Amino acid sequence: AQKVTQAQTEISVVEKEDVTLDCVYETRDTTYYLFWYKQPPSGELVFLIRRNSFDEQNEISGRYSWNFQKSTSSFNFTITASQVVDSAVYFCALSELDNFNKFYFGSGTKLNVKP
Amino acid sequence: ETGVTQTPRHLVMGMTNKKSLKCEQHLGHNAMYWYKQSAKKPLELMFVYSLEERVENNSVPSRFSPECPNSSHLFLHLHTLQPEDSALYLCASSQEFASGVPNEQFFGPGTRLTVL
Repeated sequence: AQKVTQAQTEISVVEKEDVTLDCVYETRDTTYYLFWYKQPPSGELVFLIRRNSFDEQNEISGRYSWNFQKSTSSFNFTITASQVVDSAVYFCALSELDNFNKFYFGSGTKLNVKP
Repeated sequence: ETGVTQTPRHLVMGMTNKKSLKCEQHLGHNAMYWYKQSAKKPLELMFVYSLEERVENNSVPSRFSPECPNSSHLFLHLHTLQPEDSALYLCASSQEFASGVPNEQFFGPGTRLTVL
């Protein structure tokens, strides 16, 4: 079974719209870490955020915000007032404490922001 | 050079060729990784090296052979590949601590490999 599921394969929005990218994970560990990465057309993944399983506070960084819900095993990512430069593939990833250097990535969500 | 660099950026090879992918990190990290990214599939972790020792090998076919001569360099040697091995191969590095808390991995731009 896949440990990280990103059900949205591709999303298209118009500039200035808000968009939420979903991420659902599966683990039996009580200590784990969740990540979001952005992959622009240039190819290299860019780190966005890391959260540990004990910190359920939502986080906001500029136009980006993350909603961590342990009850639903979700770690969703919202971009407010999207811009064309946000167009990329976004990956959610899970790392478990007993194998911390092994990242389980979702299959990614491609976001298209149109002007 | 800064960050993680990979060469070549593009590679086309026949099934009988032998080639190598190179990765170099300029971040002083002590762990390096090879990932395979195929269309519409999750990133697949292939190899992990921590302190220049291989600690993870996810049952990768023997036609892929990694080499980590020092903490800054990582190679992926390729021989007798199959067309289904065509993909984007990404290298990453991170700084590991004894605490076991995973730090973010920094990725290179990848090598786009096509096997004919």
